[in-house]
Amino acid sequence: NAGVTQTPKFQVLKTGQSMTLQCAQDMNHEYMSWYRQDPGMGLRLIHYSVGAGITDQGEVPNGYNVSRSTTEDFPLRLLSAAPSQTSVYFCASSRETSGSHHEQYFGPGTRLTVT
Amino acid sequence: AQKITQTQPGMFVQEKEAVTLDCTYDTSDPSYGLFWYKQPSSGEMIFLIYQGSYDQQNATEGRYSLNFQKARKSANLVISASQLGDSAMYFCAMREVLTPLVFGKGTRLSVIA
Repeated sequence: NAGVTQTPKFQVLKTGQSMTLQCAQDMNHEYMSWYRQDPGMGLRLIHYSVGAGITDQGEVPNGYNVSRSTTEDFPLRLLSAAPSQTSVYFCASSRETSGSHHEQYFGPGTRLTVT
Repeated sequence: AQKITQTQPGMFVQEKEAVTLDCTYDTSDPSYGLFWYKQPSSGEMIFLIYQGSYDQQNATEGRYSLNFQKARKSANLVISASQLGDSAMYFCAMREVLTPLVFGKGTRLSVIA
């Protein structure tokens, strides 16, 4: 079982560069989300999606774009990288049914450094 | 307003002893779920235990149990018989209906031999 996969595992960018962090899941989950983790801050939500074609902003969306053209994929785009975006990025997915709360499955993370 | 509060940045526990990690939450939604995740030094997020707001009994999963006190809005994680491999960051999280999972800032647990 692949579960939630993320690529790349590590990335170094220069300020101003753009890139896409890839996330894919093979569990047919409706709900997908992106978090960033910084020391002492826990995991903060960047963007999330409740299904193909539907996305919404989380707590810290500035500087990031997302799209959800398929159920399986939820890429995160950094438009113009800044040193403040140095972080570990996690993608997660879960089933989504009203009235129920389902465990979120996490990818292994992408460690991004912006110089 | 912060929805999940973990007041213990770091905890130490002797091997084989039990330890309680605190978590309080804030919501006005009667339907919600509470989760605990473990993050070892390798970095992955590992789901430990789940408690639904309507569940009558406290959740248990092996050595993990969740001390759910709804009126006090607390959802403390109890780890019994601590092992060296339990040393990790532990995150409490909450999810209301059809909303994203919100995390606390975590507690770093160190198990001492």
